[in-house]
Amino acid sequence: KQEVTQIPAALSVPEGENLVLNCSFTDSAIYNLQWFRQDPGKGLTSLLLIQSSQREQTSGRLNASLDKSSGRSTLYIAASQPGDSATYLCAPGNSGYALNFGKGTSLLVTP
Amino acid sequence: DTGVSQNPRHKITKRGQNVTFRCDPISEHNRLYWYRQTLGQGPEFLTYFQNEAQLEKSRLLSDRFSAERPKGSFSTLEIQRTEQGDSAMYLCASSYRVTGLHNEQFFGPGTRLTVL
Repeated sequence: KQEVTQIPAALSVPEGENLVLNCSFTDSAIYNLQWFRQDPGKGLTSLLLIQSSQREQTSGRLNASLDKSSGRSTLYIAASQPGDSATYLCAPGNSGYALNFGKGTSLLVTP
Repeated sequence: DTGVSQNPRHKITKRGQNVTFRCDPISEHNRLYWYRQTLGQGPEFLTYFQNEAQLEKSRLLSDRFSAERPKGSFSTLEIQRTEQGDSAMYLCASSYRVTGLHNEQFFGPGTRLTVL
């Protein structure tokens, strides 16, 4: 069974800082990995999708890297803004259909 | 493209009652997924459909749960004889499956179920 761990569980930073969110997973036989953000009481918004053959993906101020063999992914957020405050979820996909989620990192960016 | 929609957004019911949720995927997405999320946890996979066929069910999906996707369009998730432990956010997602490529899953806003 895939176990997903996200570190830190919570993070508070002042606006403008660059930050890194970490995700580790126990089963490296993945097809892909998605990063999501979730605002309180809301659904999930897809941020980035990395296929297993890729090493990184970028979208605006976000960059996600994948080291499949070591079971790690990182999400880098540049120049953080208060609007980035949310829970960030990492989800590797092992089966080609189901995503396996960690508990997420709760991010607060203060003005 | 209006995104994945779910109805109702909130449902409060008494223990023992039956409830049904609906999910409308992004048009032309051939895969549809149901997940369940409890407070402080990440979503957990329940089941998925490719077109109208239900191809996989998690062991979390007890006999009281049933899902359908008639004609490969919208899907319904029914919970019979609800229990307080069923209280959770039920999330639907959809994707377009192309052979050899594992595509992005897009999630709806969820249905929050409270069982009293």
